[in-house]
Amino acid sequence: DGGITQSPKYLFRKEGQNVTLSCEQNLNHDAMYWYRQDPGQGLRLIYYSQIVNDFQKGDIAEGYSVSREKKESFPLTVTSAQKNPTAFYLCASTGPRAGYTFGSGTRLTVV
Amino acid sequence: AQKVTQAQTEISVVEKEDVTLDCVYETRDTTYYLFWYKQPPSGELVFLIRRNSFDEQNEISGRYSWNFQKSTSSFNFTITASQVVDSAVYFCALRPYSGAGSYQLTFGKGTKLSVIP
Repeated sequence: DGGITQSPKYLFRKEGQNVTLSCEQNLNHDAMYWYRQDPGQGLRLIYYSQIVNDFQKGDIAEGYSVSREKKESFPLTVTSAQKNPTAFYLCASTGPRAGYTFGSGTRLTVV
Repeated sequence: AQKVTQAQTEISVVEKEDVTLDCVYETRDTTYYLFWYKQPPSGELVFLIRRNSFDEQNEISGRYSWNFQKSTSSFNFTITASQVVDSAVYFCALRPYSGAGSYQLTFGKGTKLSVIP
């Protein structure tokens, strides 16, 4: 079955450490997204990519970086510059005039 | 700019009661899509419905129904005879139909529904 796979499900980061969240899709979707969700909040867009080797900043891109070397993959790196990274991260993909398909999320905690 | 407002932060109902979740949106686009997603405690967002702006026909799917009114920019969601399994956070979302940014989805902040047995 087609879908989006996010890994790991839980991730712990030490202060000053970079961590990378994985997102893979086999839906042949062109566009992929990373959202951040904080408790009691909606989803805020971090980065998105509409085609391979191209990506755009969303509303809260500071402290994050992405790459899109393959259509299927859109990893998100949470850098040490992100001062408050503890959150739930959701990856999504979509095709033209379609709804989003979401992954099951990664819960990141700073220890 | 697009905006989606879900004024109800949290709602609690007793099982078997009907409940309506409100969604009001703002957009300058003449054509757009509206969505509802369910987020159970596990965290994954589950797609419920997509509605085109040029189709104002209301839709019913089992215990779920949606009332789209373009004149008031609202897309409300009603659960009939609520069940404990309906307990979740529900998000309303909006995206343009075409053009630059047409892939981008704007979410409301969500409404947390608790159905009490």
